[in-house]
Amino acid sequence: GAGVSQSPRYKVAKRGQDVALRCDPISGHVSLFWYQQALGQGPEFLTYFQNEAQLDKSGLPSDRFFAERPEGSVSTLKIQRTQQEDSAVYLCASSPRQAREAGGELFFGEGSRLTVL
Amino acid sequence: KNEVEQSPQNLTAQEGEFITINCSYSVGISALHWLQQHPGGGIVSLFMLSSGKKKHGRLIATINIQEKHSSLHITASHPRDSAVYICAAHGLYGQNFVFGPGTRLSVLP
Repeated sequence: GAGVSQSPRYKVAKRGQDVALRCDPISGHVSLFWYQQALGQGPEFLTYFQNEAQLDKSGLPSDRFFAERPEGSVSTLKIQRTQQEDSAVYLCASSPRQAREAGGELFFGEGSRLTVL
Repeated sequence: KNEVEQSPQNLTAQEGEFITINCSYSVGISALHWLQQHPGGGIVSLFMLSSGKKKHGRLIATINIQEKHSSLHITASHPRDSAVYICAAHGLYGQNFVFGPGTRLSVLP
């Protein structure tokens, strides 16, 4: 596709339910990032993939959060046993370059808004 | 202290005014990005800069590496410029970007 695509755009989950959020990056992009954005705040880093390798998952808030990118393209962020504090917009971004390379431009998806009741 | 700070937090301007949004950071960076986020969540990359100044239409971004400071300027502001503007620092050695809290801009007709 022409841009980064995320689905679903909106998800309402009951507390304790598992959710899966999908990100389709721009074709050929090496780097993929997941961010969590609470209402009124800037995005907070969750995890980073370089192709299929998850090189940094230091931002994942708990072991209920899991991300994968098995073939180096589409990525899925899974949240198990959702809690109310997980309610946020989850943003995916991709870049044509490795994250360590200066000047890598970021392309963002529209985000997936998760509401946990 | 947050690694990336922005000021002001909120800004209301009249159409036509010149606007400045500031970003300061405490880490060494390889690049700094200015992003625009409209209601609904979509984020658009406006500028990516590591030195000097860049201009695109009515938008100008500057960075002073020694002072660890960047500014985003909007000339002849328009209501369609209303959005949240976020600066994001790409660290020298890190693999991720650190985002500022954003500046919410409202331009009134």
